[in-house]
Amino acid sequence: AQRVTQPEKLLSVFKGAPVELKCNYSYSGSPELFWYVQYSRQRLQLLLRHISRESIKGFTADLNKGETSFHLKKPFAQEEDSAMYYCALAHGSSNTGKLIFGQGTTLQVKP
Amino acid sequence: DAGVIQSPRHEVTEMGQEVTLRCKPISGHDYLFWYRQTMMRGLELLIYFNNNVPIDDSGMPEDRFSAKMPNASFSTLKIQPSEPRDSAVYFCASSFKGASSQNIQYFGAGTRLSVL
Repeated sequence: AQRVTQPEKLLSVFKGAPVELKCNYSYSGSPELFWYVQYSRQRLQLLLRHISRESIKGFTADLNKGETSFHLKKPFAQEEDSAMYYCALAHGSSNTGKLIFGQGTTLQVKP
Repeated sequence: DAGVIQSPRHEVTEMGQEVTLRCKPISGHDYLFWYRQTMMRGLELLIYFNNNVPIDDSGMPEDRFSAKMPNASFSTLKIQPSEPRDSAVYFCASSFKGASSQNIQYFGAGTRLSVL
């Protein structure tokens, strides 16, 4: 069954420290992976997607098919990065439009 | 475009009452999704539509929940009768199956429902 797992509900780091939000997936085909972010009192929005291979707000994520992971990383956390982060998977080949979300990780960046 | 528009933003009701949540997707989008967000369960997909037709409603918790999409610019999620455990934030999202934007979902601001 298709599944996305984010093992940490809460990740707390100090400003300037490196951040890694973990995401593992279970999918038999070729998935498309995303990270969505929800800042306080704002709507959920796309942060980045693996096919774009870009860095957004200093965040990067690499799809590792061998480890079935798509961890989100940032070398130096900022206080404004505090938010809820969701990893999501799309059925890349079947094109259903449906996303499967992980449980989410709250990132807290302390001053 | 103003993005996905949901109404109301907040709803407080009493147990047993009917609740109707509304969503206007982004013009031109052919997929519409309803999600529920709670602290315990995170973001759960309830139902989604493609070209106004329900495709997958396996996430709808029980018969008290129903959703409709009478046209491309409007959808409703109804809970009747409502129960305290339905208290959550309900999100609507839409997407467009185009080459560059496929599978990117755009979310509304959500409706925070409190059932007393």
